[in-house]
Amino acid sequence: GEDVEQSLFLSVREGDSSVINCTYTDSSSTYLYWYKQEPGAGLQLLTYIFSNMDMKQDQRLTVLLNKKDKHLSLRIADTQTGDSAIYFCAERNQAGTALIFGKGTTLSVSS
Amino acid sequence: ETGVTQSPTHLIKTRGQQVTLRCSSQSGHNTVSWYQQALGQGPQFIFQYYREEENGRGNFPPRFSGLQFPNYSSELNVNALELDDSALYLCASSPGRGQSYSNEKLFFGSGTQLSVL
Repeated sequence: GEDVEQSLFLSVREGDSSVINCTYTDSSSTYLYWYKQEPGAGLQLLTYIFSNMDMKQDQRLTVLLNKKDKHLSLRIADTQTGDSAIYFCAERNQAGTALIFGKGTTLSVSS
Repeated sequence: ETGVTQSPTHLIKTRGQQVTLRCSSQSGHNTVSWYQQALGQGPQFIFQYYREEENGRGNFPPRFSGLQFPNYSSELNVNALELDDSALYLCASSPGRGQSYSNEKLFFGSGTQLSVL
């Protein structure tokens, strides 16, 4: 079935780059997503990538997709303390009705 | 600001009780989805409603049920609450029906934190 795996924690210093990794199982996924969740808040869509793309850049965010290995990564350049949050990778299920989320990566940014 | 509001923000119930959680979607969004997020976990899909009919369901028992109304509001009902139902419940709305090839963006509310004692 569909499954998404992420590393659980990442700690970086302010100004460094952060790279959050994710693997997924459904090779037929057409879109893959990155969401951000801050304490006490819902999910905010950060960016997404279509499965026929290798890379997508959106300001400080870069998404890399290796479809052969089913590996997705999110790079945040010049990480700020305000980037501290939980980041979720998600793929759409085969029926198209739901997103399958990973357990989330907690990003901690120290000044 | 996503335009999706949920109420209440926090709720405490006891085991065996019933609960109703409410969501107000963005105007014009025909689809509402509900997710359960247990502590330390990612959100898990409960079900989706499109134009007042259930359009997909995750691996949740029938005591989880929903309603969607024409005025873009919806409800999640949970009967016979169990301790494991304690979680953050998220509502998300989107404009269309949701197809595997589409890029329907989901707009999430801030959630209702349910504690079952």
